[in-house]
Amino acid sequence: AQSVTQLGSHVSVSEGALVLLRCNYSSSVPPYLFWYVQYPNQGLQLLLKYTSAATLVKGINGFEAEFKKSETSFHLTKPSAHMSDAAEYFCAVRLSGGYQKVTFGTGTKLQVIP
Amino acid sequence: DGGITQSPKYLFRKEGQNVTLSCEQNLNHDAMYWYRQDPGQGLRLIYYSQIVNDFQKGDIAEGYSVSREKKESFPLTVTSAQKNPTAFYLCASSIEMTGRRTEAFFGQGTRLTVV
Repeated sequence: AQSVTQLGSHVSVSEGALVLLRCNYSSSVPPYLFWYVQYPNQGLQLLLKYTSAATLVKGINGFEAEFKKSETSFHLTKPSAHMSDAAEYFCAVRLSGGYQKVTFGTGTKLQVIP
Repeated sequence: DGGITQSPKYLFRKEGQNVTLSCEQNLNHDAMYWYRQDPGQGLRLIYYSQIVNDFQKGDIAEGYSVSREKKESFPLTVTSAQKNPTAFYLCASSIEMTGRRTEAFFGQGTRLTVV
């Protein structure tokens, strides 16, 4: 079984400041991990994914995430927030090996303050 | 452009009615999924299909039905047995359901409201 926890349902940052969105996972086998972004009344868009290759994963729009097995974490970061980054972000986990369903976190809404 | 099209974007249902949400993809993906999204609850899996003419229940299948007669299409019917159908419904697809290419591509969603 697997689960994912996103710490903080709402995060506010100033424009130009570091963005850090936290995700911790629980899984019994090596996981695959994903970050998605959702703008209001739209579907989700994949930002990046980890599938057991490089632990530092770079995604679209300047986002990156680092897989830390010892901390069971996959936090999403961006060095400098833009107004256009305001959205809801979802972390998701899937167990590797065969078919395993994807489990989504409850989401973190990012507010960017001008 | 390839993608997933959901229709309609907004749908209103009267109590006791069945309604069908459309989902079409031209990505040539084998796997398709339906999720329900409620505020503060993330996404919950309703049904998924790995291949044409095959589909499986997800975590919250009660009150819903699907079909997969064509690779491109995976419609979802919300039946009158679904007691709380008001939600945002998302259709998604992926290249495969095993291996490393399982990331989902999402449609724009259908917002269903019971009136």
